[in-house]
Amino acid sequence: GAVVSQHPSWVICKSGTSVKIECRSLDFQATTMFWYRQFPKQSLMLMATSNEGSKATYEQGVEKDKFLINHASLTLSTLTVTSAHPEDSSFYICSVDRADDYGYTFGSGTRLTVV
Amino acid sequence: GENVEQHPSTLSVQEGDSAVIKCTYSDSASNYFPWYKQELGKRPQLIIDIRSNVGEKKDQRIAVTLNKTAKHFSLHITETQPEDSAVYFCAASRDGGFKTIFGAGTRLFVKA
Repeated sequence: GAVVSQHPSWVICKSGTSVKIECRSLDFQATTMFWYRQFPKQSLMLMATSNEGSKATYEQGVEKDKFLINHASLTLSTLTVTSAHPEDSSFYICSVDRADDYGYTFGSGTRLTVV
Repeated sequence: GENVEQHPSTLSVQEGDSAVIKCTYSDSASNYFPWYKQELGKRPQLIIDIRSNVGEKKDQRIAVTLNKTAKHFSLHITETQPEDSAVYFCAASRDGGFKTIFGAGTRLFVKA
């Protein structure tokens, strides 16, 4: 199946700084990637759909100016958490839509802690 | 909007017993239903999936059933083992390129 690499796996940052998370599709050209957020003991919540070469589509309640998504190539999507605050501390996971057989492959996730 | 409801939120069974997790979806156009197992601090792993053109699929101790008319699908784990303890998520989506909607998750405890 598709191999998805996500970096970093964990990051601690100071409040007010920005953090960039990368999601790479290593063996599949992904026109669509998804970004999820998961708070402790809760389900995965879709934040946005990242489309190669166009603007991302954000879910209701997700601030697009705070969570910047760039999908500049078929193998890379980035999520930047701008001006991070402690409430942004969460587990962020990307997934690649394989489209061919409806499969979705997840990245390994990034645990963000804002102090 | 679309949503997926999952029950129960917590399930505790004795080793060797069966476990059943049920989900209901709202988008009648959904045609792909994956189940994920997530161990603490790790990414969700796909354990089984079913498409709308079949009613049941089995893989060793795991089976999934789908009732399109009722918009229900269920995960069945037989002969449970302690290593089955994890959080299980059901999900529903349309054809490729459309977002996946996850259920809230079921925390399964298998007692030895």
